[in-house]
Amino acid sequence: AQSVTQLDSQVPVFEEAPVELRCNYSSSVSVYLFWYVQYPNQGLQLLLKYLSGSTLVKGINGFEAEFNKSQTSFHLRKPSVHISDTAEYFCAVSDPGSGNTGKLIFGQGTTLQVKP
Amino acid sequence: DTGVSQDPRHKITKRGQNVTFRCDPISEHNRLYWYRQTLGQGPEFLTYFQNEAQLEKSRLLSDRFSAERPKGSFSTLEIQRTEQGDSAMYLCASSWSLGEQYFGPGTRLTVT
Repeated sequence: AQSVTQLDSQVPVFEEAPVELRCNYSSSVSVYLFWYVQYPNQGLQLLLKYLSGSTLVKGINGFEAEFNKSQTSFHLRKPSVHISDTAEYFCAVSDPGSGNTGKLIFGQGTTLQVKP
Repeated sequence: DTGVSQDPRHKITKRGQNVTFRCDPISEHNRLYWYRQTLGQGPEFLTYFQNEAQLEKSRLLSDRFSAERPKGSFSTLEIQRTEQGDSAMYLCASSWSLGEQYFGPGTRLTVT
């Protein structure tokens, strides 16, 4: 079964500094990969997704992620963070081969804390 | 389009009581998913519908849980004889086929 590991539970960073949130997934078969953001007391919002094609994916709010098949990783990056980026970030995987359910398997989440 | 809505947003209940949550998906979406999120964890898949058909249920969904999507529109998730371990955020998401899943704000359940 698929699993997703987010290597850092909390990432503190100062405003305007770069940040990387790490994500590894378990399977080497073809997968779809996602990053979601969750602000307090809100649902999840899609930041970006990788389905196929270019391994560098650009998303909303200046975020980007790079798919690395050999390392089964999908790390999220932003060159300069803002206070408003403080939130919980979830990496997720979907296995298109598993009966086309589309269900998402999520990591445990990483809390990004942006300090002034 | 008002997005995915869930009702209620918060529910406090005593152990042993039954609770029902409602999810209204984006109107043109044919798929609807339920996830459960406990404190400090990522969401976990519970079940999903394509139109009115419930096509997969997770092992997390014990016999006390039941979900319906009559007429392929809104969905309800019922928990019978609630236990303290059921305390969690219950998230609903909808999509058109295998497209992007749009999440609702969730229903936070507290079982005392």
